Amino acid sequence: DAGVIQSPRHEVTEMGQEVTLRCKPISGHDYLFWYRQTMMRGLELLIYFNNNVPIDDSGMPEDRFSAKMPNASFSTLKIQPSEPRDSAVYFCASSLAGGWGGYTFGSGTRLTVV
Amino acid sequence: DQQVKQNSPSLSVQEGRISILNCDYTNSMFDYFLWYKKYPAEGPTFLISISSIKDKNEDGRFTVFLNKSAKHLSLHIVPSQPGDSAVYFCAARGAGGSNYKLTFGKGTLLTVNP
Repeated sequence: DAGVIQSPRHEVTEMGQEVTLRCKPISGHDYLFWYRQTMMRGLELLIYFNNNVPIDDSGMPEDRFSAKMPNASFSTLKIQPSEPRDSAVYFCASSLAGGWGGYTFGSGTRLTVV
Repeated sequence: DQQVKQNSPSLSVQEGRISILNCDYTNSMFDYFLWYKKYPAEGPTFLISISSIKDKNEDGRFTVFLNKSAKHLSLHIVPSQPGDSAVYFCAARGAGGSNYKLTFGKGTLLTVNP
C-alpha cells in the first residue's frame, strides 16, 4: 500500500486566493482526519470523517475552511479566501476502526500564504 | 486549553544513554495514549501505545509508562541512537467505543549525539 497520499507537497499562494488540499487515504480505512501543525499550537484536529460522513468539525477555525469527502478514496480541504495566518503544515491521516493502532499520516502539505 | 502537554520543547542525549520524554494530560476521560515520531518533511509515524488499564508497555528499545493518578506518561528509549533524533508527539484518545479522535501535545525535539 502506498500509504496516505497528500497533494500538493508545497503550496505558495497570495492572500485572498482559494487553496485546495487533497488527500487519498489508505484503501479500506474508514476514518479520515485533517490536522494542522503550527509552532504555536502544535497539531490541531480540524475535522474528521467516518465512512465519508463528517463527524466532528469543531476544530475548523472559520467559515473560510471547508472539507469534503465525496467518496472513500478522496478528501479535500479548501480555504477560501486564504490569509497569511493560515500558513502551516496540513496533515491528512486515516485509520481503521477496531484493533486500534493509531493513525497513518500523510507527508503533509506545507502551505504558505503571502 | 491544552489537554495534552509536553513541557520540554527539546532534549539532547548522548548515544547509548537513556532518553526520557514526558507528557502530562488533564482530561481524566482519556483512555488510550500513543507516541508518534516525526522526521522533518514527513508525517508523524506511530511508535508505541498504551491502554489506560496498563501501566507499562514495551517494544524493543521503547517503553511507555503510564501513571494514571498523576495523569502522566513517559517514553523511555534505551539505548538511544542517532537515528532516534526526531520530534516526538504524545497523543491521547477520548473514551467511548466510537471515539477515535486524538489530541496531541506540541512535541519534544530529541537530539541524540554520536
